[in-house]
Amino acid sequence: SQQGEEDPQALSIQEGENATMNCSYKTSINNLQWYRQNSGRGLVHLILIRSNEREKHSGRLRVTLDTSKKSSSLLITASRAADTASYFCATVDVQGAQKLVFGQGTRLTINP
Amino acid sequence: DAGITQSPRHKVTETGTPVTLRCHQTENHRYMYWYRQDPGHGLRLIHYSYGVKDTDKGEVSDGYSVSRSKTEDFLLTLESATSSQTSVYFCAISEGRGRTDTQYFGPGTRLTVL
Repeated sequence: SQQGEEDPQALSIQEGENATMNCSYKTSINNLQWYRQNSGRGLVHLILIRSNEREKHSGRLRVTLDTSKKSSSLLITASRAADTASYFCATVDVQGAQKLVFGQGTRLTINP
Repeated sequence: DAGITQSPRHKVTETGTPVTLRCHQTENHRYMYWYRQDPGHGLRLIHYSYGVKDTDKGEVSDGYSVSRSKTEDFLLTLESATSSQTSVYFCAISEGRGRTDTQYFGPGTRLTVL
């Protein structure tokens, strides 16, 4: 069964705007990761946040984690056309070593 | 794609035929994974390996088997393909040093079972 539920399923914004995607999960986790997938390609790791962290930054990416609500958000600031892709959250369960459980993803479209 | 290749990249086959997909890595990573990706389901784990000849089942393992005789190769076999196995299959690897390891994905194999 899927661990993550992502919201929204699709998001379309104008270039330069910020994009926010949310992920909810069900079990206790060791860490949560975000991946990007361009059309027809494999997934690429973006950022990892551990269960004892609340916020993490990487370039234009900001990830938050609220373990009490079992949710995470990914913010992409100053979006670019090249950010058009699908974004997936994935969790590592505290019991499930070395296995990722993926959400269904958010399809992000950046309009020029 | 992080030293990971998948072959073939595309395959069309008929119901009931055996199919083997190959994943090859040049990173010497300990862990290797096979996922399938379907609309509305995201990525689902089929099988994974934590070393040569060491494999375990994932979420959707029925109808699939795997083998890993060398560190660099992980094979996924559909013994008798069915139309429900039409999907895009991704291989991934991770170093396996700890539970925080990220995964690196191959380019995918698009399989169509007629």
